[in-house]
Amino acid sequence: EAQVTQNPRYLITVTGKKLTVTCSQNMNHEYMSWYRQDPGLGLRQIYYSMNVEVTDKGDVPEGYKVSRKEKRNFPLILESPSPNQTSLYFCASSLPPGPDRAKNIQYFGAGTRLSVL
Amino acid sequence: DAKTTQPPSMDCAEGRAANLPCNHSTISGNEYVYWYRQIHSQGPQYIIHGLKNNETNEMASLIITEDRKSSTLILPHATLRDTAVYYCIVRGNDYKLSFGAGTTVTVRA
Repeated sequence: EAQVTQNPRYLITVTGKKLTVTCSQNMNHEYMSWYRQDPGLGLRQIYYSMNVEVTDKGDVPEGYKVSRKEKRNFPLILESPSPNQTSLYFCASSLPPGPDRAKNIQYFGAGTRLSVL
Repeated sequence: DAKTTQPPSMDCAEGRAANLPCNHSTISGNEYVYWYRQIHSQGPQYIIHGLKNNETNEMASLIITEDRKSSTLILPHATLRDTAVYYCIVRGNDYKLSFGAGTTVTVRA
């Protein structure tokens, strides 16, 4: 079954304790992305990756890091989490753009709810 | 990417068609209209997309006006499981999906 898998689904941590949220997709997609969702602010893009070893900032990258060493994995790293990073996080993936942009359907993971105390 | 405008909320009776409008008056010729939905904090789910022709799949139909300045997503027989936030997104050449506030659809028994 085609899917994007995030782990953990729920995480409670304390300020300053480094954490990693993993994301893995089994669709051989080149493009992967991280979003955060907050009440009243909608979904905002944190980082994205066009392919292995290629990453770039989205709209709200401060306080986050990512890596893309393998095509299927795109972990989100919070080196020193703060309470303002308490949020619902989503990973997404899609095929690369081509003549038919209709293929650029993004598939989302189930989400990771993070609380930073 | 063109900005979209959707009503904040709407109700629908179970078994009836739900018609969700979206305005995108600044859409350009090469931009597609995509619809996604999000059921209670789950990951957004792709529904349908189109360029200028009407489209239909197993989930919904998409009607795009001739001038492409607006569109309507139709859920033909709404069920309680269709209660969700529906997002209309206009997307150009990049990957980025810009989610607005969407329309909160509540299907009532």
